[in-house]
Amino acid sequence: EADIYQTPRYLVIGTGKKITLECSQTMGHDKMYWYQQDPGMELHLIHYSYGVNSTEKGDLSSESTVSRIRTEHFPLTLESARPSHTSQYLCASSEDWGSGRTDTQYFGPGTRLTVL
Amino acid sequence: RKEVEQDPGPFNVPEGATVAFNCTYSNSASQSFFWYRQDCRKEPKLLMSVYSSGNEDGRFTAQLNRASQYISLLIRDSKLSDSATYLCVVKGNYGQNFVFGPGTRLSVLP
Repeated sequence: EADIYQTPRYLVIGTGKKITLECSQTMGHDKMYWYQQDPGMELHLIHYSYGVNSTEKGDLSSESTVSRIRTEHFPLTLESARPSHTSQYLCASSEDWGSGRTDTQYFGPGTRLTVL
Repeated sequence: RKEVEQDPGPFNVPEGATVAFNCTYSNSASQSFFWYRQDCRKEPKLLMSVYSSGNEDGRFTAQLNRASQYISLLIRDSKLSDSATYLCVVKGNYGQNFVFGPGTRLSVLP
């Protein structure tokens, strides 16, 4: 089992609220990712990080922001939630040796966000 | 054109059937290849890595053809519990991200 955790698992919140989705991993992985996925649809990369103090935007534009102050922790924040932010948010981590075989990506259980 | 493409689903097969999934990728510099499985409303989980020589894990066989930029997954003697979406994943070298295909949904019927 992957040692990557997300909280909360489910969040229902009103429009305009600030929210932070937590993600932590105990595998010592340098690289971490946030994906957004609507039901039955594809995964979209919204943020990633190469390590502490590194954050990059992914392929899908997102109003969320991320931070990486500690290796094991990669929280995602929405300053003002809107109904269009309703989705599942999946955090992942991986090694990045470049050797191919060991670059496995592990996912957390996800946070299902509903903004009313 | 998407960087990773998969067979459009869904595949509806009876128990015990053999089913094959196909995947093509456009980046010839890709280094790592994987099949992930995603159950409904769950996170993707690694099914198997795909090596150049091909590899087998029980009822599952994965093959890679670098020249054609093609990956396949074969499931033999399919079980009801195999019902899920199967994601083809490709990664470049150091520093590059994982690229996920859109997935192919499999339903194994009793």
